[in-house]
Parts: sequence; C-alpha cells; structure tokens
Amino acid sequence: DAGVIQSPRHEVTEMGQEVTLRCKPISGHDYLFWYRQTMMRGLELLIYFNNNVPIDDSGMPEDRFSAKMPNASFSTLKIQPSEPRDSAVYFCASSSRDGGQETQYFGPGTRLLVL
Amino acid sequence: AQSVTQPDIHITVSEGASLELRCNYSYGATPYLFWYVQSPGQGLQLLLKYFSGDTLVQGIKGFEAEFKRSQSSFNLRKPSVHWSDAAEYFCAVGALDTGRRALTFGSGTRLQVQP
Repeated sequence: DAGVIQSPRHEVTEMGQEVTLRCKPISGHDYLFWYRQTMMRGLELLIYFNNNVPIDDSGMPEDRFSAKMPNASFSTLKIQPSEPRDSAVYFCASSSRDGGQETQYFGPGTRLLVL
Repeated sequence: AQSVTQPDIHITVSEGASLELRCNYSYGATPYLFWYVQSPGQGLQLLLKYFSGDTLVQGIKGFEAEFKRSQSSFNLRKPSVHWSDAAEYFCAVGALDTGRRALTFGSGTRLQVQP
C-alpha cells in the first residue's frame, strides 16, 4: 500500500489567498483525521471523518477553515483567507478498527508558509 | 480528558548507549498508547502500540515500550542507539471508549545522538 498521500508537500502563499490541502487515505480505512503541528501548540486535531461524514470538528480554529470528504479516497482542508498564523505542518492520518484495535497512519504532511 | 506528558524536551546520548524516553499519561480508563517518530521534514512513523495484554511491547527499529498502569507510564527504550535514531519522538494516547477517536499527543522529545 502506498500509505497516506498528501499534496502539496510544501506550500508558500501570501496572506489573504486561498489554500487547499489534499489527502488520500489508505484504501479500506474508514476514518480520516486532519492534524496541525506548530511549535507553540504541538500536534492538535482539527477534524475527523468516519465514512466520509464529519464527526468532530471542534478543533477547527475558525470559519476560515473548512474540510470536506466527498468520497472514501479523498479529502480536502481549505483555508480562506489564509493568515500568517496558519503557518504550520498539516498532517492527514487514516485508520480503521481491526479486531478492536485502531491505529492511525500518518501522511508526510504539508508544510504551509503564509507570508 | 486524556493528556500526555513527555518530561524531557531534549535528550542527547552517545551512539551505542542505551535510551529511555519517558511518557506519562492521564486517563480514567485503560488507554491505548502509541509511540511515533518524526525525522526532520518527515511525517510521523508508528514505532509501536499498546492496546491490551502483554505490557511489554516490541516495535520496529529495535524499540520496545513497557506499559505500567501503577505509574501511568509508557516509556520507550532501546538497548543500543544508532546515529539514525536521531529524531523527535512522540507519545500519544487514544481513547476509543469515549467515542473521541483522535489521539492526544505529548509535546515530543528530541533525541540527539553523539558519535
């Protein structure tokens, strides 16, 4: 399996621009998570989906952030408009429950810099 | 709510020396525990996991961890460190029985290996 795939790997944009991050989960996984990593706050959950349905979006910072999962093999995280404080590494992870155990597998991340 | 503490922000060891990275968790029920490793500019790779059963778990790259309920700890160990082990290590706790599937991460321990 190719693992969790994220694109782009790096993104540099200017404040006010729209940013779209993409994720392809591992085939067969029914949970998808978006995390953000910053020096100040560490790794924190933004939102997660189960069977393409958003379950918990309590970590989404504000209305500028939105996430969708139109099908089982694709999810997007959009920031509009972007701000410098959104600069971070954004990770996508996927998992499935197998015999009562559930392990999250992470993608390589998207490193976002908002100027 | 669960929480994870990694008391050591930065550790330096000599190549060939033994290693122990500390992790303490706070959770009311039996936690699911994980160790992930992040190399510079890379994503998070799963080292090992604990769900139940034998409290000493083996992982990849020669790492092991021991779950100690009485101490609320899940320390990571390696008998002989290699230069390629230099990275940041994250302990995480999951709690499927609360319905909240996201992982809670510690702040990480950065490992430096001296030749």
